Amino acid sequence: DTGVSQDPRHKITKRGQNVTFRCDPISEHNRLYWYRQTLGQGPEFLTYFQNEAQLEKSRLLSDRFSAERPKGSFSTLEIQRTEQGDSAMYLCASSLEGTRQETQYFGPGTRLLVL
Amino acid sequence: TQLLEQSPQFLSIQEGENLTVYCNSSSVFSSLQWYRQEPGEGPVLLVTVVTGGEVKKLKRLTFQFGDARKDSSLHITAAQPGDTGLYLCAGADFGNEKLTFGTGTRLTIIP
Repeated sequence: DTGVSQDPRHKITKRGQNVTFRCDPISEHNRLYWYRQTLGQGPEFLTYFQNEAQLEKSRLLSDRFSAERPKGSFSTLEIQRTEQGDSAMYLCASSLEGTRQETQYFGPGTRLLVL
Repeated sequence: TQLLEQSPQFLSIQEGENLTVYCNSSSVFSSLQWYRQEPGEGPVLLVTVVTGGEVKKLKRLTFQFGDARKDSSLHITAAQPGDTGLYLCAGADFGNEKLTFGTGTRLTIIP
């Protein structure tokens, strides 16, 4: 399977703990995006990378959130001191810059539940 | 802040009927994408429309991008139970292509 993969698919944690999610994009894609989706809502943009550079962060991304893409391939999203309000589906997507129809392809998501 | 409004939010119809879902905004987008999402899964791309006025067909699904590239519609003919799901439209920003999603239309097709 050469699509976007995310790990883990599900994570249950206690409030105050740190969690880290991983995203592996489609191999030739140089852009990688993180979104968050809460129940009954469409996904909301969090941040995106072009190669290894993080080019934009949403105001939704508090200081407790950090994302990296050290080698321009996979990316990690870490949430420190989790809160119950962090419970959501975290989605990763990738795209190839410069194509006429620059389409984002999504992974299956990581569902986070903070108790 | 860009906003995309989808309507209707919920739709439940009988198998074989036709339906249209609308996606409207006051903002202009570089492209607009339609996704379908199943519970517990990520959105799966259905189509990308780029040119104002563009119409694309995917079997029984017809997608149209408004002339001003601010709105779009999805029309399904002869709906089938397999069409059941959450349909999301998403507009892409110029340059960085980050997506602004609509709130979604939850479609249920009754056999």
